[in-house]
Amino acid sequence: EAGVTQFPSHSVIEKGQTVTLRCDPISGHDNLYWYRRVMGKEIKFLLHFVKESKQDESGMPNNRFLAERTGGTYSTLKVQPAELEDSGVYFCASSRPGGSGNEQFFGPGTRLTVL
Amino acid sequence: KQEVTQIPAALSVPEGENLVLNCSFTDSAIYNLQWFRQDPGKGLTSLLLIQSSQREQTSGRLNASLDKSSGRSTLYIAASQPGDSATYLCAVKAGTYKYIFGTGTRLKVLA
Repeated sequence: EAGVTQFPSHSVIEKGQTVTLRCDPISGHDNLYWYRRVMGKEIKFLLHFVKESKQDESGMPNNRFLAERTGGTYSTLKVQPAELEDSGVYFCASSRPGGSGNEQFFGPGTRLTVL
Repeated sequence: KQEVTQIPAALSVPEGENLVLNCSFTDSAIYNLQWFRQDPGKGLTSLLLIQSSQREQTSGRLNASLDKSSGRSTLYIAASQPGDSATYLCAVKAGTYKYIFGTGTRLKVLA
C-alpha cells in the first residue's frame, strides 16, 4: 500500500507570493490532517478533514491559509500571500475511518522557505 | 490544555548503551500515544503506537511504556547503534483527532 505523499518536497518563494502544497492520503483513509513545524518549535496541528468536510480547523494560523479537499481525496493547502514566518515543514497525515484511536500515517513533508 | 514535554532535549551516547527517552503530558485523558523518529530533512517514521488501554508496546530493540495516571511515557532503546541517531518525537492524541507533539529529543549515538 502506498504511503502518504506530498508535493513538492521543497518550495522556495518570495514574501508575498502564493504557494500551494498538495497531499495525497493513503487510499481509503477518510481522515486527513495538516500539521506544520516552524523553526525551533514543536509540530503543531493545523486542521482535520473527514472526507471533504473540515472537521477542525482550529490550528489554522490566519486567513492567509486555505485548505481544500475536493471530492474527499487529495488535499491542497494554499498560502496567499506568504510571509517570512510561514517558513517551516508542512506535514500531512491520514488515518482510517472510525475511532479516534486509529494511527495517523505521516507524509514526508514539504519544506517551505519564504525569503 | 494538553502540553507534551520531552526530556532530555538532546542526548549523546556511545554505541551499545541502553537508553531511555522520556515524554510527559499534562492531561491523562488520551486516546493513544505515538512515538516517531525523524531523520534530518526527512518525514516522520512511526515507531510505536500505544493505545490508552495498553501499558507497553515492543518492536525489535524498542520498547515504549505508557502510564496514563502519571502522564508519562518512556521509549527504551536497547543496544543503541549509530543508525539510531535521529530526533525522537512523542505525540498524544487527546480529546479530538489531532496530535499534540513534544519538541523532541535529538539523539546521537557515537561509533
